[in-house]
Amino acid sequence: QVHLVQSGAEVKKPGASVKVSCKASGYTFTDYYIHWVRQAPGQGLEWMGWINPNSGDTDYARNFQGRVTMTSDTSISTAFMELSRLTSDDTAMYYCARVGYYYETKGPFDYWGQGTPVTVSS
Amino acid sequence: QSALTQPASVSGSPGQSITISCTGTSSDVGGYKYVSWYQHHPGKAPKLMIYDVSKRPSGVSNRFSGSKSGNTASLSISGLQAEDEADYFCSSYTTTNSFGGGTKLTVL
Repeated sequence: QVHLVQSGAEVKKPGASVKVSCKASGYTFTDYYIHWVRQAPGQGLEWMGWINPNSGDTDYARNFQGRVTMTSDTSISTAFMELSRLTSDDTAMYYCARVGYYYETKGPFDYWGQGTPVTVSS
Repeated sequence: QSALTQPASVSGSPGQSITISCTGTSSDVGGYKYVSWYQHHPGKAPKLMIYDVSKRPSGVSNRFSGSKSGNTASLSISGLQAEDEADYFCSSYTTTNSFGGGTKLTVL
């Protein structure tokens, strides 16, 4: 069965960077795009961008361009999301999610990671 | 401010039916069939319940159904059960990905 397992909780100081991992299992990692989404406390979900794990192609939401970098390591079936120049507004739960359509950039997210809480505090 | 508008909360008694709305624009919900709904129990991974407006993934109870009229999509749950108590959010996946703010369903 398909699983996306994310790395553990992070606490960072303002101005620092955070890198969250998302390890996939149960399917061919390079066949499905991975998206990253976050949810700040008391807020709705916010789409951050996607990565094609096979080619490394990415598309980032305008709000995060210049601060986010998404990468993948096919040898360990893992996607990564790095966010730099953190502020308190970046305190949120970060999720990875798989697009449910084969090799499509967009579609419903049929599997999600369990979430990685990131706290930014001085 | 979420791109798609959902009510903050809905409630119903066991056995009853409820409907959660998700209002967007003609550029997202109204213009395409690309609306999905997710169930989210706190501390767990969100679960896909409906996609392409009204399709149910394998394994999702037929008590859950989706529809759309104009710029508003809806998730209906019939025969409410205690385990349905969760947050529900909608999403539109067109030229970009948009989400609703989420609706907390309370089973009384």
